[in-house]
Amino acid sequence: KAGVTQTPRYLIKTRGQQVTLSCSPISGHRSVSWYQQTPGQGLQFLFEYFSETQRNKGNFPGRFSGRQFSNSRSEMNVSTLELGDSALYLCASSLQVGGAGDTQYFGPGTRLTVL
Amino acid sequence: DQQVKQNSPSLSVQEGRISILNCDYTNSMFDYFLWYKKYPAEGPTFLISISSIKDKNEDGRFTVFLNKSAKHLSLHIVPSQPGDSAVYFCAASGSGTSYGKLTFGQGTILTVHP
Repeated sequence: KAGVTQTPRYLIKTRGQQVTLSCSPISGHRSVSWYQQTPGQGLQFLFEYFSETQRNKGNFPGRFSGRQFSNSRSEMNVSTLELGDSALYLCASSLQVGGAGDTQYFGPGTRLTVL
Repeated sequence: DQQVKQNSPSLSVQEGRISILNCDYTNSMFDYFLWYKKYPAEGPTFLISISSIKDKNEDGRFTVFLNKSAKHLSLHIVPSQPGDSAVYFCAASGSGTSYGKLTFGQGTILTVHP
């Protein structure tokens, strides 16, 4: 079974621009979560989507948004980029069918650099 | 408020010996815990997990122990190998915060010397 894939792997943008990152979950997985990793803040939860609905949201400004499609693929968007948005953005997928703890499997990440 | 803490930023171990990585949590709603291994600029790789209904889970060289009363979990790697050198993160989730949201510790850099 193929793992979680993320595109693009690397991205360079300038301040004020917007960016869209894409994530394809493991086949059959219905939940997709997004995380940001920075040296100063570590791994922080952005949001989770399940059956095309945002089910949970982390403590990030409204410039960060996402969506999930009917095939469970997900995108996240960051508008009006700031220098501090430079980070590794990670997507993870899980089955989440039983309402109990479930393993999240991560993709390789998208390295975003904002100049 | 750091709800998941890994108080040791780094750990150095000799090949063949045991590596013990520790993690503490404060949120009593957490009931599912995971350990991940990570290399720079890559996504975390799942190692092992444990539900709060258990106090121990084993998978090959990896064993996770959970002490609910102390809100403490640990990962034991026996025997340690040079290829185990990486950053290890513990993570937690629970019905009170949604199982789709993982809260991570700061990570522990493990170095295994040949």
